[in-house]
Amino acid sequence: GENVEQHPSTLSVQEGDSAVIKCTYSDSASNYFPWYKQELGKGPQLIIDIRSNVGEKKDQRIAVTLNKTAKHFSLHITETQPEDSAVYFCAATWMDSSYKLIFGSGTRLLVRP
Amino acid sequence: KAGVTQTPRYLIKTRGQQVTLSCSPISGHRSVSWYQQTPGQGLQFLFEYFSETQRNKGNFPGRFSGRQFSNSRSEMNVSTLELGDSALYLCASSFASSTDTQYFGPGTRLTVL
Repeated sequence: GENVEQHPSTLSVQEGDSAVIKCTYSDSASNYFPWYKQELGKGPQLIIDIRSNVGEKKDQRIAVTLNKTAKHFSLHITETQPEDSAVYFCAATWMDSSYKLIFGSGTRLLVRP
Repeated sequence: KAGVTQTPRYLIKTRGQQVTLSCSPISGHRSVSWYQQTPGQGLQFLFEYFSETQRNKGNFPGRFSGRQFSNSRSEMNVSTLELGDSALYLCASSFASSTDTQYFGPGTRLTVL
């Protein structure tokens, strides 16, 4: 069925360290994979996305990698800062039921000063 | 460019009542999606509208309904409210489909007593 698994559920890192969040999806036809950051009291904000014809994408301290064969994708945040503390969600499109995103369960990232 | 706006931001209702939530998408966006966010179930897709037509619907009971107007603004309605309907209801808009970047509003926090 439609499913996106996300790990870990919580992640605590020291400021300046890297953080990695991983997601796996079940629909091999999925072709769009966004990552969202949600701060307390706000809606999710897109931070980076990747499409199935690309293996990696970077934007400053944030990068996403996609392995279509293994059906997993990961978010990498380098040189973490306290303002990176938030809940991060991965998502995937579901091509047999298009026009919707299936979200992972979220990762609460805490960056310790 | 104004973002996605949702009104009201907070609502308190009692069981059995009905509620209508409103969403104004980003100018030029024609696709509006609704999601329910709860601590237990995470972000779940409710439905998506494009050009006043519902293109997809999630696994929610018929008490949840929506519509889209010719100016792309959307409303969702929940009838016969239950305690379990307490959640953050998020609206997201995109240019045309879920593979376009979806931008979320701040959400409407619904509390059912």
